[in-house]
Amino acid sequence: EVQLEESGGGLVQPGGSLRLSCAASGFTFSSYEMNWVRQAPGKGLEWISYINSNGLTMHYADSVKGRFTISRDNAKNSLYLHMNSLTAEDTAVYYCARAENQNFYYWGQGTLVTVSS
Amino acid sequence: DIQMTQSPSTLSASVGDRVTITCRASQSISNWLAWYQQKPGKAPNLLIYKASSLESGVPSRFSGSGSGTEFTLTISSLQPDDFATYYCQQYNSLWTFGQGTKVEIK
Repeated sequence: EVQLEESGGGLVQPGGSLRLSCAASGFTFSSYEMNWVRQAPGKGLEWISYINSNGLTMHYADSVKGRFTISRDNAKNSLYLHMNSLTAEDTAVYYCARAENQNFYYWGQGTLVTVSS
Repeated sequence: DIQMTQSPSTLSASVGDRVTITCRASQSISNWLAWYQQKPGKAPNLLIYKASSLESGVPSRFSGSGSGTEFTLTISSLQPDDFATYYCQQYNSLWTFGQGTKVEIK
């Protein structure tokens, strides 16, 4: 069974940093492209970052470019999102999602990031 | 960047109704469009990909159509389990979601 489990969320002050993790199991992690999608409280979905299967190609939404970095460790079956210079607008539930043919078939349960003083 | 606009934002309907949600792209995306269903507190679930292909396990009352810039998601006979929020998503150029359509009980 495919499972994705995010962790690392929490309360952080404006200007602070946080690293999210996504632990993958039930499939060959190194064969799949992965994404991060976020959802602000009561708002819609926002794609924010993509990484290909070998970790050499990344893409970012304009809203996070230059502040967030996606990475992966295929030996540990893990996906990461390093977030810097956080603002209140980054407050959201962050989901990792496995992509196949560019569709997001599997999602984690999400981890909440709250940026507040 | 490609913008996706859904309408309506909220839709009130009854069980058994035929429901249609529209999604418009700011430029042509061919048929690179997906639809997701999301229930409160849960992750989204893929319903339709490539504009009209039904994901395995999704009930046949769901259907998608369109190409270019205009797309629709239709639920032929709304069931109690279908009250949720629906999002379109383009993947012609990176990914962009529409703002969502909440289907609520009338």
